[in-house]
Amino acid sequence: GQQLNQSPQSMFIQEGEDVSMNCTSSSIFNTWLWYKQDPGEGPVLLIALYKAGELTSNGRLTAQFGITRKDSFLNISASIPSDVGIYFCAGRMNTGFQKLVFGTGTRLLVSP
Amino acid sequence: EAGVAQSPRYKIIEKRQSVAFWCNPISGHATLYWYQQILGQGPKLLIQFQNNGVVDDSQLPKDRFSAERLKGVDSTLKIQPAKLEDSAVYLCASSLVSAGVGETQYFGPGTRLLVL
Repeated sequence: GQQLNQSPQSMFIQEGEDVSMNCTSSSIFNTWLWYKQDPGEGPVLLIALYKAGELTSNGRLTAQFGITRKDSFLNISASIPSDVGIYFCAGRMNTGFQKLVFGTGTRLLVSP
Repeated sequence: EAGVAQSPRYKIIEKRQSVAFWCNPISGHATLYWYQQILGQGPKLLIQFQNNGVVDDSQLPKDRFSAERLKGVDSTLKIQPAKLEDSAVYLCASSLVSAGVGETQYFGPGTRLLVL
């Protein structure tokens, strides 16, 4: 099945640093979502984007819906240890059953 | 508000055995999803229900996987017989509606299946 390409695959940063990750697709999406998954838990929605060019913030998190509708990025500012986890992008096409297609994930490790 | 409940949390079986997973969605959520998440990958949709009807099962391996949501509330996912490559986390999610406002999917903790 289709999966979105996420990069980087993993990141190891110091507490306080800013983080940026992105997601690209060969297909056009009409919705982009960013989730965080902690070990042993299901993904939790962080930010939802519904319009090309949209820039949305949620606390220290900022995400943008790419103008081409084929990409999105997520920034985390001033990282803290509890930011550790796997971040997934997910896109929804405006065709077919409109199911969510998930990215391959970015594993974030934060050193205190 | 109670979240999505799943059981069991862990299951170890031998190949060719059968296994079933149970999911109770958030109260009032009409849409229920089952995802398969293989280690190191993102979740992949297996089946989507709207109330007790199937909306999308295009990625469900129907020769061995089956799912039902008889009363439009809780759901079961069954694998019969299991193969080694079925080892994964099976996530259940629910949402108020399938798209648009209220489409946010809330995920359960998942069932971790290991097939030996």
